[in-house]
Amino acid sequence: AQKITQTQPGMFVQEKEAVTLDCTYDTSDQSYGLFWYKQPSSGEMIFLIYQGSYDEQNATEGRYSLNFQKARKSANLVISASQLGDSAMYFCAMRESHGGTSYGKLTFGQGTILTVHP
Amino acid sequence: EAQVTQNPRYLITVTGKKLTVTCSQNMNHEYMSWYRQDPGLGLRQIYYSMNVEVTDKGDVPEGYKVSRKEKRNFPLILESPSPNQTSLYFCASSSRTTTQGYTFGSGTRLTVV
Repeated sequence: AQKITQTQPGMFVQEKEAVTLDCTYDTSDQSYGLFWYKQPSSGEMIFLIYQGSYDEQNATEGRYSLNFQKARKSANLVISASQLGDSAMYFCAMRESHGGTSYGKLTFGQGTILTVHP
Repeated sequence: EAQVTQNPRYLITVTGKKLTVTCSQNMNHEYMSWYRQDPGLGLRQIYYSMNVEVTDKGDVPEGYKVSRKEKRNFPLILESPSPNQTSLYFCASSSRTTTQGYTFGSGTRLTVV
């Protein structure tokens, strides 16, 4: 079964507008972490934001915020005030853990290509 | 500078010719992992290592070997590459309890003809 699902293969947004990239996950663990990575056309993987399963507040990092809805098992990335440089592939990922120690595996979704129009 | 270094960045090889992609990290991380990225499939884990001499299979281990003799190095070995191993490969490392996920290398684009 797919553990991380990103249902939007591509998204378009106007510069300076906000955009939400969807991510749903599946796990039976109580302790896990959710991550978003950005992959620009140059190919490198850039860490954006982290949300722990026990975190009560939604994570924020500058223009990035994570809309975490635990009961719905969703962890959507919100990018505010989009910039042309935000055009990239975005991956949602999950890391499960047990007893406070993370497993070695980070499971990725299929990715969403975001295009920011001027 | 904290980083994961993998080499080479680009490699074209022929079917059956053994190759090694090197990976080294300078952050004293316990965990290291190899991923391959293919269009429409995201990143899939090939192998991972939770410490020296401790390795385990990921989702797509067939056709690959790894070793972890030193904490900083985690090479990926293709004993007999085939065209279906043409892909973009990433090495990554992480500490045990980090909230930062994995730190990734720059990637190796491998073409097997």
